[in-house]
Amino acid sequence: KAGVTQTPRYLIKTRGQQVTLSCSPISGHRSVSWYQQTPGQGLQFLFEYFSETQRNKGNFPGRFSGRQFSNSRSEMNVSTLELGDSALYLCASSLGLFNEQFFGPGTRLTVL
Amino acid sequence: TQLLEQSPQFLSIQEGENLTVYCNSSSVFSSLQWYRQEPGEGPVLLVTVVTGGEVKKLKRLTFQFGDARKDSSLHITAAQPGDTGLYLCAGPLTDSWGKLQFGAGTQVVVTP
Repeated sequence: KAGVTQTPRYLIKTRGQQVTLSCSPISGHRSVSWYQQTPGQGLQFLFEYFSETQRNKGNFPGRFSGRQFSNSRSEMNVSTLELGDSALYLCASSLGLFNEQFFGPGTRLTVL
Repeated sequence: TQLLEQSPQFLSIQEGENLTVYCNSSSVFSSLQWYRQEPGEGPVLLVTVVTGGEVKKLKRLTFQFGDARKDSSLHITAAQPGDTGLYLCAGPLTDSWGKLQFGAGTQVVVTP
């Protein structure tokens, strides 16, 4: 069974631009969560989606948004990029709300 | 606020030695998960502990969940270079497992 896939793997943007990251969960998984990982703050929760509904949101500004499609694939968007948004963005999927999460390889975003 | 405190932050040992990583909290968690992450990759789930006092073994790795479900430990016996990585503990912040609080991680380096 294929794992969680994330595209693109690497991305370079400049301040003020916007970016969309994509996540395809493991087949059959209905829950997708997003995390931001930085050296200073570690892994921080961004969003959790289940059946196209956002269940939880982390303490991030409104520039960070996401959505989930009917096939469980998910996207997250960051608008008006700032230097501090440079991070590894990780997507994780699980069968349901009370199942273990499996992470993708992440998207490395660099903001110049 | 870091709800999960991991110690030590860094551990460097020789192949064949034993090591223990700790994960502590003042909060009760319904479960705790341990992940290992290698540079540029997403975390890989090692184990989930659910019951207070539970001990799980995965080959040379032994995981323990405290009786009060506030702490956990990971013990590696006869460490090998392949055990090198960032070890992360995580617990759900809400009723679902899709919103995880992560510890800052313990970087383990095993040299031949």
